Parts: sequence; C-alpha cells; structure tokens
Amino acid sequence: GAVVSQHPSWVICKSGTSVKIECRSLDFQATTMFWYRQFPKQSLMLMATSNEGSKATYEQGVEKDKFLINHASLTLSTLTVTSAHPEDSSFYICSASVKGDNYGYTFGSGTRLTVV
Amino acid sequence: AQSVTQLDSHVSVSEGTPVLLRCNYSSSYSPSLFWYVQHPNKGLQLLLKYTSAATLVKGINGFEAEFKKSETSFHLTKPSAHMSDAAEYFCVVTPTYSSASKIIFGSGTRLSIRP
Repeated sequence: GAVVSQHPSWVICKSGTSVKIECRSLDFQATTMFWYRQFPKQSLMLMATSNEGSKATYEQGVEKDKFLINHASLTLSTLTVTSAHPEDSSFYICSASVKGDNYGYTFGSGTRLTVV
Repeated sequence: AQSVTQLDSHVSVSEGTPVLLRCNYSSSYSPSLFWYVQHPNKGLQLLLKYTSAATLVKGINGFEAEFKKSETSFHLTKPSAHMSDAAEYFCVVTPTYSSASKIIFGSGTRLSIRP
C-alpha cells in the first residue's frame, strides 16, 4: 500500500534555531500533502495544505513565516519551523492523499519536536 | 460544512469484552469516513474506511464499523478487546471524490483495556 515516510521521528533543538521536517511519498505521487500539529492528548490540528509547485494554504492562526512549507516535487514536502521557541514543541504529522485509492489518506509516522 | 463528533473521550473495557467507540458526523456532501488508530508517540494507522460502497466495513485487527445514514453514525466495534488495542482512536470525515479537501478529525477516544 501507499507509504509516507516522515523524518526525523524526533528532534531536539535550541531556541532560535530552525528545524526541517521531511515528508516523502515512497511509492506514489502526492500532489497534495497536509501538515498537522498535535498537542498532548488532543486531536490533530490542520496547519496547512501543501500543493506541488504552488504556495501552501495555511489555516487561520498559523504563521506562514514561522512554519515554512515547500512542496517542490510530487514526492516530497518539507515543513521548516523557523526560529523555534519552546511553545513550538509538539508532535507534527504529515499526510498525503492517494488518488485512485478511494481518496484515502496515508499518514507519516510523525515528528516529536522539543525546543529547549 | 462537515463535522465529526466522538461521543466518548475515554472508554475502558476488560480484555476479551466487546469494544464500542462512537462517532457521529455531519456533512453537506456524500462523505467518506475513516477510523484511524494512534499508539503513543506514533503516527496514524488506518483501521478502515467507508467510501459509499458496503455500509458494513471490516478493517484490520478485527475492527469493523457500520455506516448508518439515518443516524449519521459510524461507530467502531470489535467483538473481543485485546491488550494491544489500547490506543487513541480518531474518527475522520471528508467529502468523497475530493482528494485535496481537508479532512476533519474527531477529538479522539482513548481506549484503555483492563486485564
């Protein structure tokens, strides 16, 4: 089946630095990818929708200059958390829609970001 | 507009007893419905999905769900709980035939299994 690979699975960084998270579709082309943030014991919150070759669409309240999304190819989308602060610590998950699979959604394994 | 409501934030059952996780949805379009499971610090794994075919959907690990349009429900069941079923479960709704649409997550139900 469709697989989405997300790296790294966990990362610790210092305040003020930037962190890049990658999301790759391994055996299919993903024209659309989604980035979510999950706080402890809460549901997933959609941050942005990433379309290959165009600018991402951010949800209300999500700072696009803070959370940079790039979807340069049909198999790779990246989320860069810029000038990270401790409040950015969270679990980030990407997903991709799979055309031809009744529009199912495959999720990456998630990235635990801790900013110290 | 779409929404999904998971009626229980926490369900606790004994090992070997049935599991019922409740989900109600609201959708202006013909919906696709999914159940995902998330183990601690892990990504989401698809359990099953309904996309306008058979209303009774069988998934992995013995789970199944029934789409009831009249009740706008898509409850997840399993005849006999196993300790490994302890996890967070999310009910998800999205319009059918729209791969780029946002998917709406329920608030999640934490399933605990008592020995």
